[in-house]
Amino acid sequence: DQQVKQNSPSLSVQEGRISILNCDYTNSMFDYFLWYKKYPAEGPTFLISISSIKDKNEDGRFTVFLNKSAKHLSLHIVPSQPGDSAVYFCAASQGGSEKLVFGKGTKLTVNP
Amino acid sequence: GAVVSQHPSWVICKSGTSVKIECRSLDFQATTMFWYRQFPKQSLMLMATSNEGSKATYEQGVEKDKFLINHASLTLSTLTVTSAHPEDSSFYICSASWSSAEVNYGYTFGSGTRLTVV
Repeated sequence: DQQVKQNSPSLSVQEGRISILNCDYTNSMFDYFLWYKKYPAEGPTFLISISSIKDKNEDGRFTVFLNKSAKHLSLHIVPSQPGDSAVYFCAASQGGSEKLVFGKGTKLTVNP
Repeated sequence: GAVVSQHPSWVICKSGTSVKIECRSLDFQATTMFWYRQFPKQSLMLMATSNEGSKATYEQGVEKDKFLINHASLTLSTLTVTSAHPEDSSFYICSASWSSAEVNYGYTFGSGTRLTVV
C-alpha cells in the first residue's frame, strides 16, 4: 500500500523552462510534506517543505503547492537549470519528527 | 546547521562478517534517528526508527536480529549488519529529525553507506 505516490518516473525539460513534479498521497493524517533532491550514491538533500496549514511555500526558484482536498502536492522549479537534474523525492510525515514516508521518486533531466 | 555525518561512505565485507555503520548529528541533538535502505532505482525504504535510550522500532519485514540499531547518545546512532550476506548489499542512509522556529521541524540525511558483501 503506497501512501505517497509519484506517478511519473521521469521528466525532461528544457533549460529555463518550468519543471513541475507531482506527488499524491492517500493518508489524510499526513500534515507535513517535504521535497528532497538526490544524486546517485548520496544521501537526499532537503529542498523545501510545507505544513498542512499552508497551501504554498516558496524558496527561491522552488515553490511547493499543497491541495489538501485532492491530497496532491507539486514542486515547481523556475527557471530550470541543468544542475537541477537529479531524482526528486516527495515525502510526508504525520506529526512532528515522525517517520517520513517517501514516494518512488521522479528523475528530472534538464537539457541545456 | 543540522548536519548529519555518516561513516563509512562505502564498505566491502566478506559473507558472514558484521559491519557497523555510524550516524552522527554534528551540531544538534537528535532524539530520533531513522535508518533507510535503498535498492537500485527504487525509493528509500524505512528500516527502523531509533530513539535515544530506548529500543529501536523496526518496520514490518525488517529482521531486528540482523540489523542491530543502537542509539546510545543524542548524537550517535549505529546500525550493525550482522552475519552479512550478498543480499544485504545495498545503500544504507540514516536521517535525524530536528526542530527549529523557522521551519517547524525537518529531517537531515547522512551521505549514505554503500555496502557490498562478497
